[in-house]
Formats: sequence, structure tokens, C-alpha cells
Amino acid sequence: QKEVEQDPGPLSVPEGAIVSLNCTYSNSAFQYFMWYRQYSRKGPELLMYTYSSGNKEDGRFTAQVDKSSKYISLFIRDSQPSDSATYLCATNTGGFKTIFGAGTRLFVKA
Amino acid sequence: DTGVSQDPRHKITKRGQNVTFRCDPISEHNRLYWYRQTLGQGPEFLTYFQNEAQLEKSRLLSDRFSAERPKGSFSTLEIQRTEQGDSAMYLCATGPGQYQETQYFGPGTRLLVL
Repeated sequence: QKEVEQDPGPLSVPEGAIVSLNCTYSNSAFQYFMWYRQYSRKGPELLMYTYSSGNKEDGRFTAQVDKSSKYISLFIRDSQPSDSATYLCATNTGGFKTIFGAGTRLFVKA
Repeated sequence: DTGVSQDPRHKITKRGQNVTFRCDPISEHNRLYWYRQTLGQGPEFLTYFQNEAQLEKSRLLSDRFSAERPKGSFSTLEIQRTEQGDSAMYLCATGPGQYQETQYFGPGTRLLVL
């Protein structure tokens, strides 16, 4: 079993839709939770990070962590074609090693 | 562009050859990571430097792999006696201070071993 599980998709939505991206993890010691966006043939770009449980909002993006169920989510409101990319969840115990999910491919159709 | 640069961007080599990749971090970023990413997968941690000290290495980093960060500035990742299974994107990420959740990735070096 992988430490971080993420549905690879692809997920296809119309422009303007609310997108929900999710990951589950197995290690209760994980404390930091990150979301990265990766465009084709580019390096990942940090979108948001949260510490422990709760919500964090940044513009159209909301990250949510539920440590009791080991579930992390990213919501994208008013999705745009430019949001089409692979979204990677990642987590860390506070140590040096960050564990990434496999990524979910998102397509936003104009 | 995050400010982390990697060179070369692409490398094609024959099995058995040695290759070396370079990463130039954002100025004054003391944390530096190397990752490997294969198609359809997320980045896999390879190694971590804090300044010039290599503090953690993954079991993925076999004895054919070596990384250095002399003087805590740029870093190199060398793969000796390359194998076809080494074909992947090699990513460098850097970060300031001690907060492990903030990492800024370079564009990566795409390696193809024939």
C-alpha cells in the first residue's frame, strides 16, 4: 500500500465548474499537507500548504485536511482552462522526506 | 519560473555511460532536494541537503548514484553506469529556512537511457 493514494483521473469538467481533488494517506504522523500543480513537461509548482487539520483558502483554491479520516482535499472554484494540469498532493512528517501522490490529471473544457 | 535552474534540460545517453546533472538553487536557499519522477507518478524523494551536508538519502539512491553540494550552493547528481530503468525526469527543489513544506522546483532534467 502506498503511503499517499491519489486517483490519477483524468478528470474532465466544463469551465466554471467546482473541482474537487482528493487524496488519502496512511501514516498518522504526517503533519504537513501540500498541493502542487504541474503542467506538462514542467516542474511542480507549490499551490498551498496546511499544517494539521482544517481549511485554508487562497483565491479560488481551498485546501482541506481531515486527520481523523486521513483525507485531504483541494477545491477549485470557477475553474478555468488554464487550470488544466496535473495536481499532486504531498505530505511530510516534519522531517526531510516529502511523500507525493501520483497526481490527478485535470482537464477544464472551454 | 521559480528561480531554480537545472542543466541540462534533456539528456540522451547509452546504457553504461555516466551522466551528471546540475541544480542551481534560489540564492540563499539552504535546503536542497533531488527527486525522480517517472511517467504517471509523483516525484520520489532521492536525497536532501541542508547547506553542504547531505542529511538524508533514499533507498532508491543506489551506489550508482551520488550527489554533492559543495559550499552549500549548487548541487550535482551523478549516475554511473546508467541503466534503462534510470530513464526519468530528475527534479531539484530548494527552500529557505527550516520549513519543509515550502519547496520550489526547477524545470527538471529529462533523462533517456538507450
